[in-house]
Amino acid sequence: NAGVMQNPRHLVRRRGQEARLRCSPMKGHSHVYWYRQLPEEGLKFMVYLQKENIIDESGMPKERFSAEFPKEGPSILRIQQVVRGDSAAYFCASSPPGFSGVNNEQFFGPGTRLTVL
Amino acid sequence: EDKVVQSPLSLVVHEGDTVTLNCSYEVTNFRSLLWYKQEKKAPTFLFMLTSSGIEKKSGRLSSILDKKELSSILNITATQTGDSAIYLCAVEWEEYGNKLVFGAGTILRVKS
Repeated sequence: NAGVMQNPRHLVRRRGQEARLRCSPMKGHSHVYWYRQLPEEGLKFMVYLQKENIIDESGMPKERFSAEFPKEGPSILRIQQVVRGDSAAYFCASSPPGFSGVNNEQFFGPGTRLTVL
Repeated sequence: EDKVVQSPLSLVVHEGDTVTLNCSYEVTNFRSLLWYKQEKKAPTFLFMLTSSGIEKKSGRLSSILDKKELSSILNITATQTGDSAIYLCAVEWEEYGNKLVFGAGTILRVKS
């Protein structure tokens, strides 16, 4: 059972370009979370998605950032018109479906390190 | 604002030493506290704690939660150089499903 997959592992973009980060959850997992880790900071929650639904995007910047988790295919975190401050490691995590009251740990992918020149 | 605070921020010890890492939280509707180890890749899961006072152990690592004090500790005995990593504490709370709030982490370096 493969773990959470993210690609690319490293991404270099120039200011103003678009960055697309992909995340394939573990088999059987239907919950996906995106986190951003800035240098010397902890992981910051960005968005929580289930298939075809954004459940909580309270951590997403209001502009330029968007996320989706389509019925087929990986979850995508999209950053438009990147700026230097977007340089960070972006981690995706997944957890299995569960009902309210069940605690599920999250399994993390290897991350995508975005560098904006 | 909900927050998770870890201490110390960094720690340097020698092999064989015992270390204690701290995590305190201010979160409403607490559900669970999780510890992760992060090396040069993704955080890997260590422990999930939901009940106060019950120690969880895995080899040389152990952790316990104190809900009264809103805190948790992670102990590592007989440290090895392979324990060098960032140790992240995260708290999950009731209203937001499985969303986690992370502390900034403790950077542990074990010298041989």
